Amino acid sequence: GIQVEQSPPDLILQEGANSTLRCNFSDSVNNLQWFHQNPWGQLINLFYIPSGTKQNGRLSATTVATERYSLLYISSSQTTDSGVYFCAVEPWRTDKLIFGTGTRLQVFP
Amino acid sequence: DADVTQTPRNRITKTGKRIMLECSQTKGHDRMYWYRQDPGLGLRLIYYSFDVKDINKGEISDGYSVSRQAQAKFSLSLESAIPNQTALYFCATSPGTSGTYEQYFGPGTRLTVT
Repeated sequence: GIQVEQSPPDLILQEGANSTLRCNFSDSVNNLQWFHQNPWGQLINLFYIPSGTKQNGRLSATTVATERYSLLYISSSQTTDSGVYFCAVEPWRTDKLIFGTGTRLQVFP
Repeated sequence: DADVTQTPRNRITKTGKRIMLECSQTKGHDRMYWYRQDPGLGLRLIYYSFDVKDINKGEISDGYSVSRQAQAKFSLSLESAIPNQTALYFCATSPGTSGTYEQYFGPGTRLTVT
């Protein structure tokens, strides 16, 4: 089956720093989503981005489907950005979302 | 009000008990899903349903059953709970229309089996 790898596994930042999270996947997909899981366990949809680039405030994401990777950029990080960031992909025509193991981000004041 | 709701939000139960987790959605989506998350890991698919007559097993369906009572309701049952089913459970929905595959998640149910 498809492999979804996220890097780095852990990231520690000081408030105000920028970061880039990466998601590599091993096969064609028709869905790619980025989620933020906050310390209370809730999953928050960040981006639905099977291809192209999107921006939402301090966050942006780029997916290069032909090269099978996606990047999530966080600029001017805040302590509320702490949590785990998941990439999830739906392999072509499988109707099943496969999650990566996540990047745990800690932002300190 | 939240578009995807789950009840209960937290539950502690004993080994061998039957328990049902419920999911309701007001998004009007046809597709509904149940996932499980173990500590430190990503989510894994338990069951999914594309309409009330279509239910499919996911990656880890053993020990679970589901019921799609209506377009808006999808329930997950543990017939005889065991401790290794202690986990965070998420329900999700998606439109399922061509070109739109985004999934939307509920707030989760934290289940502890003692």
